[in-house]
Amino acid sequence: EAQVTQNPRYLITVTGKKLTVTCSQNMNHEYMSWYRQDPGLGLRQIYYSMNVEVTDKGDVPEGYKVSRKEKRNFPLILESPSPNQTSLYFCASSPWQLPPATNYGYTFGSGTRLTVV
Amino acid sequence: AQSVAQPEDQVNVAEGNPLTVKCTYSVSGNPYLFWYVQYPNRGLQFLLKYITGDNLVKGSYGFEAEFNKSQTSFHLKKPSALVSDSALYFCAVLTGFQKLVFGTGTRLLVSP
Repeated sequence: EAQVTQNPRYLITVTGKKLTVTCSQNMNHEYMSWYRQDPGLGLRQIYYSMNVEVTDKGDVPEGYKVSRKEKRNFPLILESPSPNQTSLYFCASSPWQLPPATNYGYTFGSGTRLTVV
Repeated sequence: AQSVAQPEDQVNVAEGNPLTVKCTYSVSGNPYLFWYVQYPNRGLQFLLKYITGDNLVKGSYGFEAEFNKSQTSFHLKKPSALVSDSALYFCAVLTGFQKLVFGTGTRLLVSP
C-alpha cells in the first residue's frame, strides 16, 4: 500500500530534550515536506526537500532541522523543543511535477501530536 | 504571494440540506486547487482537486467543487449533507516549488 508513515503518533516531552519525528514514504517520491497544524492557522510548511540532499526552509523553520540522506526518509528534528512547538505535525510526499499532471497529489502521513511541557 | 482564504470559521447545516464551504484564491498563473478533510483525531484526507479541464470537479463522498475563474473561487459543495460529514475542511493551492498552501480551515457541523 502506498503510504507515508510517521512515528510516533503521540509524544509528550520536556522542554530542551532533543527529539526526532520520523517520516518514511514508499512511493519513490522526490518531494517531501513537513507541516505543522495549529488552530485558526491551518497548516504551515516547516521544511521541504526536492530530492536527496536538497532541503530548504518553509514558512516556519525556526527551531527545527531536517535531513534527506535517503529518498524515502525525511526526519524532523527538534534540537531543543519549547512549549510553542506543541502542535500537530504532518509529513507529506509527492512526485516532482511542475506543472502537475492530472493524477498529481500529495500523500500525507497520519500525523504526530507533540506536546512540550 | 499565492494564497487561499476560507472566510468562514464554521458552517452549520441540517442533515439533508445542501452545504457549501467557501474558498477564494489569489494566484498568479494557473491555479491548482485542492480540498482536504480532517476528521477528529485523524490525518488529512484528499477530497478533490482542480488541475485543468472541467470547472465542475467531482470528488470523494459525494462532494464536488466549482472552479470559477472570474470570481477566483473554488467552493466545496454537497447536495445533501450527512451528520458524518461533520469535520474540518481545508482548501489549498499548489504554488511554486510544489508547496501546498492551506487556508485556515472551516469546521462543518451537520446537525441531525
